[in-house]
Amino acid sequence: AQSVTQPDIHITVSEGASLELRCNYSYGATPYLFWYVQSPGQGLQLLLKYFSGDTLVQGIKGFEAEFKRSQSSFNLRKPSVHWSDAAEYFCAVGSPDSWGKLQFGAGTQVVVTP
Amino acid sequence: EAEVAQSPRYKITEKSQAVAFWCDPISGHATLYWYRQILGQGPELLVQFQDESVVDDSQLPKDRFSAERLKGVDSTLKIQPAELGDSAMYLCASSFRGETQYFGPGTRLLVL
Repeated sequence: AQSVTQPDIHITVSEGASLELRCNYSYGATPYLFWYVQSPGQGLQLLLKYFSGDTLVQGIKGFEAEFKRSQSSFNLRKPSVHWSDAAEYFCAVGSPDSWGKLQFGAGTQVVVTP
Repeated sequence: EAEVAQSPRYKITEKSQAVAFWCDPISGHATLYWYRQILGQGPELLVQFQDESVVDDSQLPKDRFSAERLKGVDSTLKIQPAELGDSAMYLCASSFRGETQYFGPGTRLLVL
C-alpha cells in the first residue's frame, strides 16, 4: 500500500529566508507525486507535480521540488519566502494504475515571521 | 481559468439531520473525487467516479453516506443522519484522465 510521510508538522521561517519541506513516500514503482498548498478555509491548490523525466520540477509561486528515487523523497523548496506563503502544504502520491487515487500526507503548517 | 465549483461553502446542522453537498467539476473532466478532511489532517478519499460509475467507495461509510453522479457531470454527496464526528471539510476534485486533480473550495460542515 502506498503511504506518504511529512516529518515536519510545523515550520517557522523568516520572510526572505529559504524553505524546504520534506516528503517521503512508500510505493512499489514510480508514483505520481504532487505538492498542494491550502490557505485557511480554502481548497487545495496544485503547486507542482512529477510524473517522469527531469527529477527537478518547477512549479508556481517560485516553488520547486526534487524527486530522489534512492531516498523515496520529493522535497519542496523555495529560495526566498514571502509572507503570503504562510499556509499548509500537502504532499501526495498517486498510482498510475488506480484512476489517479491520491494518498496525502498529514501536512506541514508554514508560519512566516517578519 | 476553469474551476471546480462547490456549494454550499459552509453548513451548520444538528446531529441526526440530513445534509447534502454539491460539486460541479471542470468541464470535460470525467473523473470526480470526494474527499473528507478532518482539521489538522490531510484529505482522505471517500468516493471516486469515472463518468457516472463509482470506481472506488471503499472508504465511504455506506450506512449514512451516499454519493451520486447521475449524468456523469455534477455530483451530490449526502449524509443522513449526520453525526458529530462528521464535522470536517468536504472537498471535491476532478481530473481529465485520472492524472492531475484540481480541487474546489470545499464545504465546511459543522454538526452540533
